[in-house]
Amino acid sequence: GAVVSQHPSRVICKSGTSVKIECRSLDFQATTMFWYRQFPKKSLMLMATSNEGSKATYEQGVEKDKFLINHASLTLSTLTVTSAHPEDSSFYICSAISGQGLSGDKKLFFGSGTQLSVL
Amino acid sequence: GQNIDQPTEMTATEGAIVQINCTYQTSGFNGLFWYQQHAGEAPTFLSYNVLDGLEEKGRFSSFLSRSKGYSYLLLKELQMKDSASYLCAVRDSNYQLIWGAGTKLIIKP
Repeated sequence: GAVVSQHPSRVICKSGTSVKIECRSLDFQATTMFWYRQFPKKSLMLMATSNEGSKATYEQGVEKDKFLINHASLTLSTLTVTSAHPEDSSFYICSAISGQGLSGDKKLFFGSGTQLSVL
Repeated sequence: GQNIDQPTEMTATEGAIVQINCTYQTSGFNGLFWYQQHAGEAPTFLSYNVLDGLEEKGRFSSFLSRSKGYSYLLLKELQMKDSASYLCAVRDSNYQLIWGAGTKLIIKP
């Protein structure tokens, strides 16, 4: 089955530094990837939709300059948390859509998540 | 290894009740989530269970038994808009989310 790899799984950084999270589709091409944020005991919050070769579409309330998304290829999207602060500490998850064409069976596959802790 | 099992597909009738089961084997447990996903869309959160028992939210209820590694999502008074995939996910001791493959629920009139 389709696999989405997310790296790193856990990162601890100092306040003010930037952190990059990678999301890769390992055995399929993903023109669209999603980035989510999840707070403890809270729902999965969609941050942005990443489209290969174009700018990401951010959800309301998500700072574009804070959370930089780059979807440079059909198998890789990156989320960079710039100048991280303790309030950015959270669990970040990516997902990717597989399947092509009008009749393709499109499914959403998730990465395993990245736990970010900003000190 | 870590594993989440849920049925691939289920069919139910509008107005009826359906139960979607999820069994898991993970290294540690820090909560179980249910999500609803309509085709081509991002998932939406349905429920979160960390303690044993039943959590009820309107037409949707979720049950957890940690000793059995088992959960179910119960949907009552089914509506056509409930046709979607339902994803079970478990957070393990390392706070990794282990995802099930999803159950495609088909509602018939």
